[in-house]
Amino acid sequence: DAGVTQSPTHLIKTRGQQVTLRCSPKSGHDTVSWYQQALGQGPQFIFQYYEEEERQRGNFPDRFSGHQFPNYSSELNVNALLLGDSALYLCASSATGTGANVLTFGAGSRLTVL
Amino acid sequence: KQEVTQIPAALSVPEGENLVLNCSFTDSAIYNLQWFRQDPGKGLTSLLLIQSSQREQTSGRLNASLDKSSGRSTLYIAASQPGDSATYLCAVGDTGNQFYFGTGTSLTVIP
Repeated sequence: DAGVTQSPTHLIKTRGQQVTLRCSPKSGHDTVSWYQQALGQGPQFIFQYYEEEERQRGNFPDRFSGHQFPNYSSELNVNALLLGDSALYLCASSATGTGANVLTFGAGSRLTVL
Repeated sequence: KQEVTQIPAALSVPEGENLVLNCSFTDSAIYNLQWFRQDPGKGLTSLLLIQSSQREQTSGRLNASLDKSSGRSTLYIAASQPGDSATYLCAVGDTGNQFYFGTGTSLTVIP
């Protein structure tokens, strides 16, 4: 059983560009959350998607947007990249309704903005 | 806003030693608390989940406790091994769908 898969694993962009990161949740999971982890910091919540809608959002600007597809996979888009967007972007999936809210994380996509 | 603090930031111990990692949070209205392990450059691996109604959870050599009223959790690692070397993150889940993370404790177990 594949866990959470993310792509790409590494990418380099320049300031002002746009990036799309992808996530496939663990089998049986229907909810996807995205987190940003800067070097030496804990992950910070960006947003969560359930039933193809953004259910909750953290303190991130509108340059960060997302999407969830009918198969529960998700994309994170970041527009007008800034140097400060360089980070490890983590996708986590969970199964709504189990009451446990246990997160399963992917290995992450490391974004470097030059 | 929930603030999560982990102490110490770094810890180095000889193999075989028992150790305790600390996590504190400012808002006691939590849904659950989860401990994760993160190896360098990797994603997060869930170690233990404690629901707000529980006091502790155990898995092998790991034991996590939760004291909501004081805003504290501890992760106890028994008989530490070099393979336990990693960063340990505490994450507090709110009644919504968001987890708040601490900055982690970097553990090195010396053979």
